[in-house]
Amino acid sequence: ETGVTQTPRHLVMGMTNKKSLKCEQHLGHNAMYWYKQSAKKPLELMFVYSLEERVENNSVPSRFSPECPNSSHLFLHLHTLQPEDSALYLCASSQGTGTSSYNEQFFGPGTRLTVL
Amino acid sequence: GESVGLHLPTLSVQEGDNSIINCAYSNSASDYFIWYKQESGKGPQFIIDIRSNMDKRQGQRVTVLLNKTVKHLSLQIAATQPGDSAVYFCADSGGGADGLTFGKGTHLIIQP
Repeated sequence: ETGVTQTPRHLVMGMTNKKSLKCEQHLGHNAMYWYKQSAKKPLELMFVYSLEERVENNSVPSRFSPECPNSSHLFLHLHTLQPEDSALYLCASSQGTGTSSYNEQFFGPGTRLTVL
Repeated sequence: GESVGLHLPTLSVQEGDNSIINCAYSNSASDYFIWYKQESGKGPQFIIDIRSNMDKRQGQRVTVLLNKTVKHLSLQIAATQPGDSAVYFCADSGGGADGLTFGKGTHLIIQP
């Protein structure tokens, strides 16, 4: 539908587990993003990649580790998470960065993460 | 830090009526604003945007109004339909070099 896919759609993990979220965009975009969406809170930008280089990291705890091997794929590696990390994790992509309709961000459906 | 917020968490309207969703922002340096729609189980979807050098922009059945004097943004949906039921977010470009700062969202409920 949006050209941005995320897997898995749902994930339940313990605090000692290590897991990875995957995002793939089929739109030929050069920028990709990770957002966190918690209940009753605004979307929070976590990471921004442009041309496979990280350009922004909004003070995210080190237990979240992003990886962007190419412009079509983005991963979020998770380890030793806390229950408060339970949220919907959204991936987005855009043609470029900067503020214009040309760089509209297209979102994936998200991964619903529950940390026990 | 700066924030973007919505006035109401829930808005209920009759099908066929016009809907107005409001947003207040605090970053006076923001120069680009976007409205997103998020349906249940889906990611946000771009609706319409506006730059600070404009005060009104129209799309298909939607209009965004920007009042820079009072830092207020609104989204008007004409002839609301059941498919308009979703959470609507405003966002601005003040959240960093390339990301967006989102408001909490308003849940639009359509009554038959």
